[in-house]
Amino acid sequence: GAGVSQSPSNKVTEKGKDVELRCDPISGHTALYWYRQSLGQGLEFLIYFQGNSAPDKSGLPSDRFSAERTGGSVSTLTIQRTQQEDSAVYLCASSLNRDEQYFGPGTRLTVT
Amino acid sequence: DQQVKQNSPSLSVQEGRISILNCDYTNSMFDYFLWYKKYPAEGPTFLISISSIKDKNEDGRFTVFLNKSAKHLSLHIVPSQPGDSAVYFCAARGYGQGNLIFGKGTKLSVKP
Repeated sequence: GAGVSQSPSNKVTEKGKDVELRCDPISGHTALYWYRQSLGQGLEFLIYFQGNSAPDKSGLPSDRFSAERTGGSVSTLTIQRTQQEDSAVYLCASSLNRDEQYFGPGTRLTVT
Repeated sequence: DQQVKQNSPSLSVQEGRISILNCDYTNSMFDYFLWYKKYPAEGPTFLISISSIKDKNEDGRFTVFLNKSAKHLSLHIVPSQPGDSAVYFCAARGYGQGNLIFGKGTKLSVKP
């Protein structure tokens, strides 16, 4: 079946602009996660949605970052007033349970 | 402070030999550990996992060993194949948590 998809695959934006990154999880997966990977670093947790529960936002680095998950499926990660340190690959994952997370290909964000 | 550490940024192995990738962690509340493989420009792919109640899990050429007293786990690949060349990430999940905490990765090169 179809895996996790993300769009766009690449995004170049000017400092100060807002960006929206989209994630389509695997159908039926109740949990959805956002991570980011900066150059030479491991994956850094951002936010976690599980069913209808309130999301775990403990990994969001600042209030410029927010995410929504509509209808328990598609999710959008929004970064307001982007800064150069926001440049990274943003990865979305979904899972049926809390064990194995399946990742999308990521969105490479470059802030100039 | 890093809770999951992969101290070797790279490893080179001859085809057919064993590859051993190591990972150390500091949080005794981690109850589930996973290894992911990542090719360039792709999202991480789940490889193998182990619960904290076990000390070994095997799947084909891949075996993960967990030493809780040493807070150490390792991934053994035998025999290694050139297609195994990728970056390998160790990840851990805290008890009751949903998100994963990743190490910085080890780049494995398997030479023909």
